[in-house]
Amino acid sequence: AQSVSQHNHHVILSEAASLELGCNYSYGGTVNLFWYVQYPGQHLQLLLKYFSGDPLVKGIKGFEAEFIKSKFSFNLRKPSVQWSDTAEYFCAAYSGAGSYQLTFGKGTKLSVIP
Amino acid sequence: KAGVTQTPRYLIKTRGQQVTLSCSPISGHRSVSWYQQTPGQGLQFLFEYFSETQRNKGNFPGRFSGRQFSNSRSEMNVSTLELGDSALYLCASSQTPEQASSYNSPLHFGNGTRLTVT
Repeated sequence: AQSVSQHNHHVILSEAASLELGCNYSYGGTVNLFWYVQYPGQHLQLLLKYFSGDPLVKGIKGFEAEFIKSKFSFNLRKPSVQWSDTAEYFCAAYSGAGSYQLTFGKGTKLSVIP
Repeated sequence: KAGVTQTPRYLIKTRGQQVTLSCSPISGHRSVSWYQQTPGQGLQFLFEYFSETQRNKGNFPGRFSGRQFSNSRSEMNVSTLELGDSALYLCASSQTPEQASSYNSPLHFGNGTRLTVT
């Protein structure tokens, strides 16, 4: 079964600092990968997705993620965070044909200090 | 387009009772998934429905059940509630085709139903 792990439980950054959140998945075959964000009091929203092609994908609000197949990783990055990026971030993956289950990591809470 | 709608937003129940949560997907979306979100465990998959058929089920006891109607609306039911069932229950819909060789449709989430069991 697919598993997704996120390395950091809580990350605290100052505004303008660079961000990298780690995500690793376990399935060795074809995977479809996502990052979701949950702002305080709001529903989960899609940040970006990777299905195939260019391993560097760009999402909304200046976020990007890099798929590295050899490392089973899909890390999320942003060059300069803002206070409004304070939220919880979830990595998620589908695995293989016939899998209708999106597996989520446990999330990383990001706090940005003005 | 209206988003995913979940009702009610909040519920307080006592142990041993049962509860039914409702979800209306985005118009045109035929797949509905349910997740349980807790601070310690994150989002855990409950089940997924497509055209009134359950295609996947997560590792939850049989007290957790669901169904989907012909208009794609879905309900989930939890019987004999336990304190540990207190959580945010999320519904999500997607445009997945009926026979997807590679399931790649993003999920669109509702705001959730906050269930508190006392």
